[in-house]
Amino acid sequence: NAGVTQTPKFQVLKTGQSMTLQCAQDMNHEYMSWYRQDPGMGLRLIHYSVGAGITDQGEVPNGYNVSRSTTEDFPLRLLSAAPSQTSVYFCASSNRDPGYYEQYFGPGTRLTVT
Amino acid sequence: SQQGEEDPQALSIQEGENATMNCSYKTSINNLQWYRQNSGRGLVHLILIRSNEREKHSGRLRVTLDTSKKSSSLLITASRAADTASYFCATGRDGGGGADGLTFGKGTHLIIQP
Repeated sequence: NAGVTQTPKFQVLKTGQSMTLQCAQDMNHEYMSWYRQDPGMGLRLIHYSVGAGITDQGEVPNGYNVSRSTTEDFPLRLLSAAPSQTSVYFCASSNRDPGYYEQYFGPGTRLTVT
Repeated sequence: SQQGEEDPQALSIQEGENATMNCSYKTSINNLQWYRQNSGRGLVHLILIRSNEREKHSGRLRVTLDTSKKSSSLLITASRAADTASYFCATGRDGGGGADGLTFGKGTHLIIQP
């Protein structure tokens, strides 16, 4: 199993541009999440999904959209990039086994907005 | 908002010594998880302790949980250079198991001196 994969690894955007960060998992996990990590900080939850077709907002959702059309994929869209969105983005997945949710993380996407 | 807060923020010890880091949290929890992050990489799940457990072991790791004090500690015994990393505690949002994502502390940066 590849686990959780993320593309691209690095990205530089100009202010106002849009892009999609890709995330895929091959573990048939129900739950997927997006986090951002800023220097000296822990991870903060952006959006999450508890199954295909079901998404909801986390702690810092503004400026981001998500969709979950399949169990495997959970893309994160930046609608109009801002310098405040410069960060490292992590996708994670988990399954209910047995009622407690250990998360598996992807390697991250380092995004710089100029 | 940050649920868990790790202490100390940074810790430097000699190889072979034991490393202890602490996590305090604010609200009731379903479980508490510890993750490791090597520089520039994604997070890796280390251990999960349920709210009705007081101590758990996994290899050289020992985790304790004191729900009356809302605190947990992670002990790494006989440290190795490869243990150099940042360590984060995490809890489910709003006292949940974590299906709707986790809330992370800011982490303890551990450096093992050879």
